[in-house]
Amino acid sequence: GAVVSQHPSRVICKSGTSVKIECRSLDFQATTMFWYRQFPKQSLMLMATSNEGSKATYEQGVEKDKFLINHASLTLSTLTVTSAHPEDSSFYICSATIFGTPGDEQFFGPGTRLTVL
Amino acid sequence: GENVEQHPSTLSVQEGDSAVIKCTYSDSASNYFPWYKQELGKGPQLIIDIRSNVGEKKDQRIAVTLNKTAKHFSLHITETQPEDSAVYFCAAPSGGYQKVTFGTGTKLQVIP
Repeated sequence: GAVVSQHPSRVICKSGTSVKIECRSLDFQATTMFWYRQFPKQSLMLMATSNEGSKATYEQGVEKDKFLINHASLTLSTLTVTSAHPEDSSFYICSATIFGTPGDEQFFGPGTRLTVL
Repeated sequence: GENVEQHPSTLSVQEGDSAVIKCTYSDSASNYFPWYKQELGKGPQLIIDIRSNVGEKKDQRIAVTLNKTAKHFSLHITETQPEDSAVYFCAAPSGGYQKVTFGTGTKLQVIP
């Protein structure tokens, strides 16, 4: 149980285009979903927290107009990287929690490798 | 916010030996400490966690200890196997919310 999927697993795009990444909880309803970015050989950095039906909360330094998050339902959150540039190339990982309370286990997706040419 | 430090950054052990990874945190209100294993090109997987009401938790070859006074917690892997090779991250809650701050990671290599 508690499986999170991401689609696509990898994407290559041209500079200036937009890319959408989907995060789905397959066998549970996710109260909260998180989006992380991980550069090579570095740790996971939280980008934003999203709850179904409300606006995402972005971490300091993350541009909300560039990284659009839509938490459409209790099983789906999407991250759209708008006007992508090579410096946006990274490994994007989502996670989800069930109860939405502090100390909840986060279930992670397999990640999406974004390469911007 | 929470500040999590993790050591060492790399660790090589012979198969069968033990491995220990340590983390310190700054927020004394933190009460949940998960450990994740991340294999190359994959998302992190929770391997064990501990809450502040206990000092130690064990699951087969993996154990975690917590010292709330000193604000540090450690991951212990005994009888290491080649498949234990991965990057391990500790984490601690940030600001009392669901979100966590990750440590910098430890690349563990188990040499057959």
